[in-house]
This record gives sequence, C-alpha cells and structure tokens, in this order.
Amino acid sequence: NAGVMQNPRHLVRRRGQEARLRCSPMKGHSHVYWYRQLPEEGLKFMVYLQKENIIDESGMPKERFSAEFPKEGPSILRIQQVVRGDSAAYFCASSPPGSSTGELFFGEGSRLTVL
Amino acid sequence: AQKITQTQPGMFVQEKEAVTLDCTYDTSDQSYGLFWYKQPSSGEMIFLIYQGSYDEQNATEGRYSLNFQKARKSANLVISASQLGDSAMYFCAMRDRQDSNYQLIWGAGTKLIIKP
Repeated sequence: NAGVMQNPRHLVRRRGQEARLRCSPMKGHSHVYWYRQLPEEGLKFMVYLQKENIIDESGMPKERFSAEFPKEGPSILRIQQVVRGDSAAYFCASSPPGSSTGELFFGEGSRLTVL
Repeated sequence: AQKITQTQPGMFVQEKEAVTLDCTYDTSDQSYGLFWYKQPSSGEMIFLIYQGSYDEQNATEGRYSLNFQKARKSANLVISASQLGDSAMYFCAMRDRQDSNYQLIWGAGTKLIIKP
C-alpha cells in the first residue's frame, strides 16, 4: 500500500547547480501538487499538475522553477541555478478523484540544502 | 485576507492528559473547510481531521476531535489521552473555495511534546 513517494529525501546543492525532485503519487491518483515549507512555517502552494498538464502554477516563482508530470513516470520539480533561499522542504501531495473533503495525501518531503 | 493563526508555538503535555491546540481563522467566504495535519520528526504530513463550514456537528476521528466554533472563527484540535507518539508539529489549514482544495492556507504550526 505505497503512499506518495518522493526522492531524494535529502539533497545538497551548491549555488548555481540544478535540483531535481521527484514525486510518484499514490496508486490511482492522477493529480499532483507541490508545496514548499520554509523552517518554522506552514506549507506554501506552488503548482498543481495532472498528467501532461499544468493546471495551476500560481504559486511558482516565475524564474528558475519548473514542474512537469509526464504521461509515464514521476512528477518532477526542477530548480535551476539554485540560491540559498531555495533551501526548504518540498512536499508533494496527491488526492483521490472526487474527494468531497479535498484530503491531500503527502509524501515525506525532499529537503533541499543549498550551500 | 484569508489567514490562519496558531498562537501556541510550542506545548508540553503530560502523557495521558488531553491537549487542545488552538487555531483561529479569518475568511469572508461562507463555504470553507478546515483541516488539521500532523508532521512528526520524520517529516511527512499526516491528515488528521476535517471540518466543513456547514457541518453541524464537530468532526471526530478516534482520539482527535475538532472544537468548531463558527461565530468565534476557531477550530481547535483536541487530542484525548495523549500518547508519546503524539509528539509532533501540528498544522491547521483552511480551504476557502470549493474548487481549490489544494490551495490550502496554512498556520505556522504548534510543536507538541508529550512528556512521559
């Protein structure tokens, strides 16, 4: 009964490098959401994707950040030319279709540290 | 503007005691939903309980219950008979539109530590 799978759990990058974070939703879920959590804060919505479509990217920074959810394979959040301010935990969530409560199932997060 | 406030940054509670975690919210919408999530030290976000704004009864899930006071705009989480495994960060969140269940507005969280 696999939940939402994220990898890597921890990622260290130097300034200017690229970070790629992967997320596989729960079986049967085709909607994926990415969130960022800064220390001592709640989550901030970044992007909502369905297979091969970006539905809502209103929370994504305009530059350096991109996300995709291809027909096959996991969803990927890509951060180019990372800066120290990108250090955070990045969470992926999925939800069952037709959920009346809107419950989100979260992965364990990927913690990015930029040196 | 929509906002979630959790006024307790940290709490210490004796094992087996009940604990109440405070959450107040601000919204001008009539239809909204309130969530509580638990984040243990391992990092994952675990859904605990949900309350819809039109639900007449307070939500309950096992040892968790939500003390929903609509007029006061509060949605406190009550954990009965606390256990050591309840030690974690707890986040209150709100969905203020029916069509944006993913765009939750989150509080800053409360760190709960259960003492043996």
